[in-house]
Amino acid sequence: DAGITQSPRYKITETGRQVTLMCHQTWSHSYMFWYRQDLGHGLRLIYYSAAADITDKGEVPDGYVVSRSKTENFPLTLESATRSQTSVYFCASSFTSGPYNEQFFGPGTRLTVL
Amino acid sequence: AQKITQTQPGMFVQEKEAVTLDCTYDTSDPSYGLFWYKQPSSGEMIFLIYQGSYDQQNATEGRYSLNFQKARKSANLVISASQLGDSAMYFCAMSPSLLISSGSARQLTFGSGTQLTVLP
Repeated sequence: DAGITQSPRYKITETGRQVTLMCHQTWSHSYMFWYRQDLGHGLRLIYYSAAADITDKGEVPDGYVVSRSKTENFPLTLESATRSQTSVYFCASSFTSGPYNEQFFGPGTRLTVL
Repeated sequence: AQKITQTQPGMFVQEKEAVTLDCTYDTSDPSYGLFWYKQPSSGEMIFLIYQGSYDQQNATEGRYSLNFQKARKSANLVISASQLGDSAMYFCAMSPSLLISSGSARQLTFGSGTQLTVLP
């Protein structure tokens, strides 16, 4: 399907386990982003990527790792999950043309860490 | 650093009436963009409208309009003729202009959101 997809949509894991959230986009957008959404905080940027093999930290990167070997994929890994990482995670992508970066969001992954 | 403030955690509006959702921002960037996103109960983030800081006219998109007051640093969303389907969380966001920035400047900074409920 065209667009941006995330998998899994729901995940329950235990403290200390490694978890990888997948993000795939079919638009060939250069920029991709990972946000987490927590009540009262809106969305906060975890990591972003300007292109394949180029990634950088956002506002809340601790405990997360990203990679981007292909333009269309941007996985987010929680190396050792903690309860504070229970959240809804959104992946987004955007064009590079134009002065403003309208971002297109995936459907989100609801992660619960027990 | 950029900051978005949405002071209305929840709003109610009668169906077919207009409603204004408040958004104020703070930035030192000379050029920036302002965005509104809608998040229905199903959870997806839907882009509604954006306004460039140097745009001469307020942005409009169907029933959505953005009341941009640069001097007051406000970018309120106006929804005309509310519909039951407008019930959702609404987020205001901003980013620096890509004309002058790169890298992390492409990130969006979000407010905490306003939950809008449209009453029949």
